[in-house]
Amino acid sequence: GAVVSQHPSWVICKSGTSVKIECRSLDFQATTMFWYRQFPKQSLMLMATSNEGSKATYEQGVEKDKFLINHASLTLSTLTVTSAHPEDSSFYICSASRGGQINEQFFGPGTRLTVL
Amino acid sequence: KNQVEQSPQSLIILEGKNCTLQCNYTVSPFSNLRWYKQDTGRGPVSLTIMTFSENTKSNGRYTATLDADTKQSSLHITASQLSDSASYICVLRRVGNTPLVFGKGTRLSVIA
Repeated sequence: GAVVSQHPSWVICKSGTSVKIECRSLDFQATTMFWYRQFPKQSLMLMATSNEGSKATYEQGVEKDKFLINHASLTLSTLTVTSAHPEDSSFYICSASRGGQINEQFFGPGTRLTVL
Repeated sequence: KNQVEQSPQSLIILEGKNCTLQCNYTVSPFSNLRWYKQDTGRGPVSLTIMTFSENTKSNGRYTATLDADTKQSSLHITASQLSDSASYICVLRRVGNTPLVFGKGTRLSVIA
């Protein structure tokens, strides 16, 4: 149990276009979903935290108008990178949590974004 | 200074050998400490989760230890396999609903 999927697994786009990444919890309802970005040989950096039906909370330095997060249901969150630029090229990973004392986060397989 | 420091940064071992990865942290208090395995180009997968009161937790060939006094944790891998080649990340959760604190990971390469 506790499987999180992401789609697409990789995407290549032209500079200036927008890209949407989906994150789904397949077999549980996620009270909270998280979006991370990871550059090569670096640790995961939290971008934002979202709860179903409410606005996402963005980490300092993350532009909320550039990285649009929608958490429409307890099993789906989307991250849209608007007007993508080459510096947005990165590995984007989502995770989902179902709460509880341990509040374990289950990570998706990641999406590799390359902006040309 | 990072709140979670891992060592070594990278490690190469022969298949079948054991190894131990280290994690030193300054996060205090904390709710739990986790070790994740991340294959290249994949998301992290949980190996162990220990609360602050636990000293050791095993998951197959993986054994994590926690010493809250010295603020150190280790991950011991027994009888390594080629498929163990990955990054191993130490992660702490502070008390309360706060973001996880990630180490930079140790890159392990197991060679034949």
